[in-house]
Amino acid sequence: KQEVTQIPAALSVPEGENLVLNCSFTDSAIYNLQWFRQDPGKGLTSLLLIQSSQREQTSGRLNASLDKSSGRSTLYIAASQPGDSATYLCAVKGYSTLTFGKGTMLLVSP
Amino acid sequence: DAGVIQSPRHEVTEMGQEVTLRCKPISGHDYLFWYRQTMMRGLELLIYFNNNVPIDDSGMPEDRFSAKMPNASFSTLKIQPSEPRDSAVYFCASSLTGQANYGYTFGSGTRLTVV
Repeated sequence: KQEVTQIPAALSVPEGENLVLNCSFTDSAIYNLQWFRQDPGKGLTSLLLIQSSQREQTSGRLNASLDKSSGRSTLYIAASQPGDSATYLCAVKGYSTLTFGKGTMLLVSP
Repeated sequence: DAGVIQSPRHEVTEMGQEVTLRCKPISGHDYLFWYRQTMMRGLELLIYFNNNVPIDDSGMPEDRFSAKMPNASFSTLKIQPSEPRDSAVYFCASSLTGQANYGYTFGSGTRLTVV
């Protein structure tokens, strides 16, 4: 059974810092990996999708990498802003279903 | 497209009552998923459908939970009778072709409180 772990569980940084969120998974037989953002009381917003054959994807200040063989992914956020405060969820896609980590709660203070 | 639409956004009900959650997937998507999110357990898959047919319901916690997808544009998740431990946020998501490298789109969720 696929298990997804995210470290750290919570992170608090001052505005402007570059930061890295980590995600690991136990079964490397995945189709893709997706990073989501969830604001308090809200739904999930897809940030980046990395196919199993890809190594990284970039969107603005966000960069996600994937090392499928070692079962790891990182989400890099450059020049963090208070508006980046949210919970970030990593999810890996197996045959049909998506398995989620429990997320990293990020707080960026002004 | 308006995305995945869930209703109601919030539901408060008394223990023992029947609760029905609704979902309209993105038009053309052939996979539909129901997830439940709690603080303790995070996001858990309850059941998913492919072309309106339930494929895997092993995540459904008890017989009190049931889900249907009568057509490609509508699905329901029913809890009968409801219990306080069912309180959670229930998300519906849809995807195009589960075996291909497509992402999921989630609805805004239904926050269920059973008192």
